[in-house]
Amino acid sequence: NAGVTQTPKFQVLKTGQSMTLQCAQDMNHEYMSWYRQDPGMGLRLIHYSVGAGITDQGEVPNGYNVSRSTTEDFPLRLLSAAPSQTSVYFCASRQGRGDNEQFFGPGTRLTVL
Amino acid sequence: GESVGLHLPTLSVQEGDNSIINCAYSNSASDYFIWYKQESGKGPQFIIDIRSNMDKRQGQRVTVLLNKTVKHLSLQIAATQPGDSAVYFCAENAQTGANNLFFGTGTRLTVIP
Repeated sequence: NAGVTQTPKFQVLKTGQSMTLQCAQDMNHEYMSWYRQDPGMGLRLIHYSVGAGITDQGEVPNGYNVSRSTTEDFPLRLLSAAPSQTSVYFCASRQGRGDNEQFFGPGTRLTVL
Repeated sequence: GESVGLHLPTLSVQEGDNSIINCAYSNSASDYFIWYKQESGKGPQFIIDIRSNMDKRQGQRVTVLLNKTVKHLSLQIAATQPGDSAVYFCAENAQTGANNLFFGTGTRLTVIP
């Protein structure tokens, strides 16, 4: 199993540009989520999905969209990038709602100029 | 929302000594807690978890202690090694909705050879 994979690893955008961060998992996990990590602020939940076709907002959803058309994929879209979205983004998955191990991808470092 | 905080942002220990990383949580309804390790440039990696009906849980060289009375969680690492150098996060479950995890800000552990 590859686990949770993310692409790209690094990205630089100009203000106003749009892009999609890709996330995929091959563990047949129902639950997937996106976090951003900023210095001194830990991990904050952006959006999550409890299954294909179902998504919901986390703590900091503004400026981001998600979709879950398949169990495996959970892309994160930035519609109009802003410097405040400069961060490291992590995708994670776990089996379900229950208390169980959450697996993280390697992260995408995004810089918005 | 819940808040999870750490008492010390940085910790330096000599190789071979024991390390103790502390975490305070605010949501008395949380019943599942997790410790993650994050090495530089990588995603968080699960270390150990504990449920609220337990006071202590041991893994390989790691022990998690839970004090529900004062809402305090600690991670003990025995015989700390250079490979233990990383940022350590505690997380708690939300107990509502999708049972999302809320993360603390992290403690950077540096092992001095």
